Amino acid sequence: DAGVIQSPRHEVTEMGQEVTLRCKPISGHDYLFWYRQTMMRGLELLIYFNNNVPIDDSGMPEDRFSAKMPNASFSTLKIQPSEPRDSAVYFCASSLAGSHTQYFGPGTRLTVL
Amino acid sequence: ELKVEQNPLFLSMQEGKNYTIYCNYSTTSDRLYWYRQDPGKSLESLFVLLSNGAVKQEGRLMASLDTKARLSTLHITAAVHDLSATYFCAVGRRGGNKLTFGTGTQLKVEL
Repeated sequence: DAGVIQSPRHEVTEMGQEVTLRCKPISGHDYLFWYRQTMMRGLELLIYFNNNVPIDDSGMPEDRFSAKMPNASFSTLKIQPSEPRDSAVYFCASSLAGSHTQYFGPGTRLTVL
Repeated sequence: ELKVEQNPLFLSMQEGKNYTIYCNYSTTSDRLYWYRQDPGKSLESLFVLLSNGAVKQEGRLMASLDTKARLSTLHITAAVHDLSATYFCAVGRRGGNKLTFGTGTQLKVEL
């Protein structure tokens, strides 16, 4: 199995630009999670989906952030407009109902200048 | 709100020594996880603990869970340099799928 796939692995953009992060979960997994990791705040859950439906988005920092899961094999996290404080590593993880163990992707390192 | 605290935050130890990382959490939970993260890398699942008294071991690492005390420990036996990494505990709430992560313990094993 290829594991969770994320793209891009690195993204450098300027303040005000739109950023789209992508995630492909492990095939057959029905939960998908988006996390953000920073030195100051640690690992934070932003949003998670079950069977493509958003279940809890209470961790999304503000309206500039949005996430979608149009099908079972693809999700996006969009930031518009981006700000320097959004600089972080964004992880996607997936899990299987009943297992609960979350498998993490390699992450996207975002730098907003 | 579920809070998860780890200590110590930083740990520098010599090869061959033993040490324990502690993970305390604030509310009832039905599962606890330990993850490892190497610098610049992703998180790798190490252990899942599902019941009071559960103990899991893999190589030089052993994890245990005391649900009454709301405490999990990760014990390192005869540390080796390859164990240098950041270790996170994460707690899941009953009936839910969210995990709340601890602050992480950055372990450095000196040669």
